[in-house]
This record gives sequence, C-alpha cells and structure tokens, in this order.
Amino acid sequence: EVQLVQSGAEVKKPGESLKISCKGSGYSFTSHWIGWVRQMPGKGLEWMGIIYPGDSDTRYSPSFQGQVTISVDKSISTAYLQWRSLKASDTAMYYCARHRDGAMVLDYWGQGTLVTVSS
Amino acid sequence: DIVMTQSPDSLAVSLGERATINCKSSQSVLYSSNNKNYLAWYQQKPGQPPKLLIYWASTRESGVPDRFSGSGSGTDFTLTISSLQAEDVAVYYCQQYYNTLGTFGPGTKVDIK
Repeated sequence: EVQLVQSGAEVKKPGESLKISCKGSGYSFTSHWIGWVRQMPGKGLEWMGIIYPGDSDTRYSPSFQGQVTISVDKSISTAYLQWRSLKASDTAMYYCARHRDGAMVLDYWGQGTLVTVSS
Repeated sequence: DIVMTQSPDSLAVSLGERATINCKSSQSVLYSSNNKNYLAWYQQKPGQPPKLLIYWASTRESGVPDRFSGSGSGTDFTLTISSLQAEDVAVYYCQQYYNTLGTFGPGTKVDIK
C-alpha cells in the first residue's frame, strides 16, 4: 500500500527555522516525483515545488523560489520542506504528494503538516 | 504561467440532482503530439487532503464512483456529478499539468440544498 506519512504539527515563532518531512512507503520512492502543496487557512491549493528522489532534480514555483528549500534523503525514502526564517504568513497546512509516473498528477497525498507561526 | 479559473465559486444542489463545475485555463492544455488534455480534478473534504478524481480530463481514477465524469478539451473543462450524494459535499479543484509545475484552480464548494 502506497503511503506518505508527514511529520507532526509545528508551532514556531517568526524568524525561526523549520524542516518538515514526508516519508514514502509501499512503492519505489526514487521513481516518482514528490510535490509540496500549501493550503493557507480557508484558502485553496498552491503548488510549491517538486523533487525527483532518484537524482534530487528540484523545481520551484516562482512564488516559492528562494522562500523554501525542498530536499530528499532517498536512503530513508523521505522528502523535506525547509524554511530558514519563518514569517507569520507561512502559517498553513503543507501537503506532500506523489506524482503518478507518466502524468504529473498527484495520486497519493500525505495527511498534511500544520505549521503555525506566531509570536 | 497557466492561470486556472473555476465557476461557480460555490453551488448548492439537492440530493440526487446534477452538479456541474466549470474550469477554464488561460491557454490550451491539449498536447498535440498525443492528443491528451493535461487537466485533472481533485476533491477535498473538510479536514482531509485532496483526492484525485479524474485525470487526462476524462479518465476516472480507480475507485471513483461513476457518477463523477469529466469532459472538455483545450481550455474549457467540466466536472459533472450526475446524482449528488451527501458524501460529495466538498471543495473541487481543477489542475493543469501541461507545465511541469502545475497550477490549481481556486476551487468550487459543493453543498446540499
């Protein structure tokens, strides 16, 4: 069974750093792109970026380039989303999701990680 | 960037009635070399992650009830729920994947009238 399990909710202060994780299982982790999607409170879905675990090829949406870092450790089948300096506006639910081979649709999703940034 | 729009923003439909959601892309998502529309639909219920319903504009994901159907080509697409059930209350998003970094529509909220 394909599963993506994300790390737990985080409460941080502005200016702090954070790295959240997404562990894949039940499939060949290195053969499928992993994407990160942001959902701000009460809002829609925003595609942040994607990474190919096989070779760490990473692409960012222009809106998120320079704001976050996406990485992967294929030895433990885990993708990461990282911030160096959080802002209150980073408060959101963050989802990881697997891309289907042959079509860049998101066929399996993690449960989401809620990040709250507040002083 | 390809911009996706959806209409209406929300709709309320009686149980058993038809619900229709429209999605429009700012440029064609039909790839001429394979004649496929790079358009997907997702359902998101409250407190849950999104779920893939339809891809290639009209291919139903495995396990998705056949009351859900997708149609359209080029820049204009439609998601139809032929007979609305209580469990279909959700927000529905279209998404283009013509570009490597796909973009989502703003979502359409479906409720029971």
